[in-house]
Amino acid sequence: ETGVTQSPTHLIKTRGQQVTLRCSSQSGHNTVSWYQQALGQGPQFIFQYYREEENGRGNFPPRFSGLQFPNYSSELNVNALELDDSALYLCASNLGQGSTTEAFFGQGTRLTVV
Amino acid sequence: AQSVTQLDSQVPVFEEAPVELRCNYSSSVSVYLFWYVQYPNQGLQLLLKYLSGSTLVKGINGFEAEFNKSQTSFHLRKPSVHISDTAEYFCAVTGTDSWGKLQFGAGTQVVVTP
Repeated sequence: ETGVTQSPTHLIKTRGQQVTLRCSSQSGHNTVSWYQQALGQGPQFIFQYYREEENGRGNFPPRFSGLQFPNYSSELNVNALELDDSALYLCASNLGQGSTTEAFFGQGTRLTVV
Repeated sequence: AQSVTQLDSQVPVFEEAPVELRCNYSSSVSVYLFWYVQYPNQGLQLLLKYLSGSTLVKGINGFEAEFNKSQTSFHLRKPSVHISDTAEYFCAVTGTDSWGKLQFGAGTQVVVTP
């Protein structure tokens, strides 16, 4: 049990729709990162939020967006879903910006786009 | 920017035998290195990390890894595996200037048989 919870655990959406995935970080963790893990691959960094501001982004288009809230929760939004967006989405929280504490991962949300 | 190469996609091993999982990285800055384990339908769990200091790092469940700067490697070892070690293992790197933004390898599937 890492203290990081994600919801929902599974989700099926139709191509072109929009989806919101949620993550509740460990209390006190001011940094959250989101990753996309396609089947049979390693996780790919989507973006990171630090104190509610985006703090770095991977090679993902603008239709992937996020929010971080003061209560240590965060959201990943994906617009105009494509079939290739089908993946496990992981969030990870840690104390960021100069701290080298461990990143704790949630169990992930399995998104299937049909 | 950093990148990670895991040299073996799958490693079959007998129970109680040793195992080594190979990881090479590239980076233009100093790095922090990690090994994570992922069991089926679960998130990522940290096995061990190298931040600084001793190049031999010991982690949970009897795993250890050695950081070799000249060879840009961070291989993971366990002297005697159990059936329960069957899982996917990921090597990850982050630059000292980009804490928390992990770059993962493609993963190594370890299959332990009796």
